[in-house]
Amino acid sequence: DVKVTQSSRYLVKRTGEKVFLECVQDMDHENMFWYRQDPGLGLRLIYFSYDVKMKEKGDIPEGYSVSREKKERFSLILESASTNQTSMYLCASSPGEGTAQFYEQYFGPGTRLTVT
Amino acid sequence: AQTVTQSQPEMSVQEAETVTLSCTYDTSESDYYLFWYKQPPSRQMILVIRQEAYKQQNATENRFSVNFQKAAKSFSLKISDSQLGDAAMYFCAYRRSLSGYALNFGKGTSLLVTP
Repeated sequence: DVKVTQSSRYLVKRTGEKVFLECVQDMDHENMFWYRQDPGLGLRLIYFSYDVKMKEKGDIPEGYSVSREKKERFSLILESASTNQTSMYLCASSPGEGTAQFYEQYFGPGTRLTVT
Repeated sequence: AQTVTQSQPEMSVQEAETVTLSCTYDTSESDYYLFWYKQPPSRQMILVIRQEAYKQQNATENRFSVNFQKAAKSFSLKISDSQLGDAAMYFCAYRRSLSGYALNFGKGTSLLVTP
């Protein structure tokens, strides 16, 4: 089974702090994603990566950055946390093209971040 | 951009009954993939069912089936013989052809299953 893990289920940070959310997948997937989930808004794409050291902005990248130094790990960074970044953050991964299941995304359990 | 609309924020069904969750989407593409994902309370998001747009046959996975109407851009999920474990948030999603094949999600439908 594909496993996507996230470093924390719950996190509380202060305004202005630098926050790191870690995501690790164990299936050698090329593509990794960070989504933000808010009630009534569904999931929105923050950033994605299709290879090591490659990253692309999603729909709501402002206030966030990412790092992918190793294929299995994709980190989301909040440079200076603000209260409007209080949310559920979901990491996902998917295989590359040419594989049997490259169309499917596998999700981590989520990190519920509260910024006070 | 391809938008996904779920018009039912909440739905309720009795155990053993059938329920249909609605989803419409907007796209100019002719070939694409659609998904239904399930997110149980405090648990991981999992894939329920997938539909390839070039396939005319509606996808089925055990008690879950879809009604895919390509011309109408409609993609509803039918859950038959509902069980308590089906209670969850259900998201309809469209796979982009760019952006690393990221998903565009609807806002979700919360399904309550009553005994």
